[in-house]
Amino acid sequence: DGGITQSPKYLFRKEGQNVTLSCEQNLNHDAMYWYRQDPGQGLRLIYYSQIVNDFQKGDIAEGYSVSREKKESFPLTVTSAQKNPTAFYLCASSTWTGTNTGELFFGEGSRLTVL
Amino acid sequence: EDKVVQSPLSLVVHEGDTVTLNCSYEVTNFRSLLWYKQEKKAPTFLFMLTSSGIEKKSGRLSSILDKKELFSILNITATQTGDSAIYLCAVESRDYKLSFGAGTTVTVRA
Repeated sequence: DGGITQSPKYLFRKEGQNVTLSCEQNLNHDAMYWYRQDPGQGLRLIYYSQIVNDFQKGDIAEGYSVSREKKESFPLTVTSAQKNPTAFYLCASSTWTGTNTGELFFGEGSRLTVL
Repeated sequence: EDKVVQSPLSLVVHEGDTVTLNCSYEVTNFRSLLWYKQEKKAPTFLFMLTSSGIEKKSGRLSSILDKKELFSILNITATQTGDSAIYLCAVESRDYKLSFGAGTTVTVRA
């Protein structure tokens, strides 16, 4: 079935360690997004990409990095520079029409806990 | 910076009640407004609105956009316990950036 797969679902890391969250989609979507969700807050945009080998910073990009080497993959690295990385991370994709982003399809999320 | 503000932050209703959720925004070069429902983990799409004054409906849910006053409402009629969720509003602005509000948590009691 077509969809978005995020892994791992749960991840623990020690302070000072980098960690990479995987996001893969087989929907043939051009655009992909990473959001962070904290309790009681909405989704905050970290990075987004509309085309392979190109991506833009969102509202809270500091301490994060991404790559878009393949259309179907958009991994997110949470670096040690991120001050408060414990959160729920959601990856999404959409068919970018050139006029609108359109409907976002979300993965099931990755919950990162820093010990 | 783009702003999307949802109200109320939370509400509790009884089955059969009608719920109205609000979403106001300030963004550069508005493109579209979207509503999502989040029950457990992954938000699911409800509506996308691009034109002012045109109501979108799906069963007991409906939504309308006012581009002059910069807001949208989401209505849920004859609420059921299955409607309990976080409802998220997102606005697409220039550079195709999608910004979300904090969400409204709806609890429907039997």
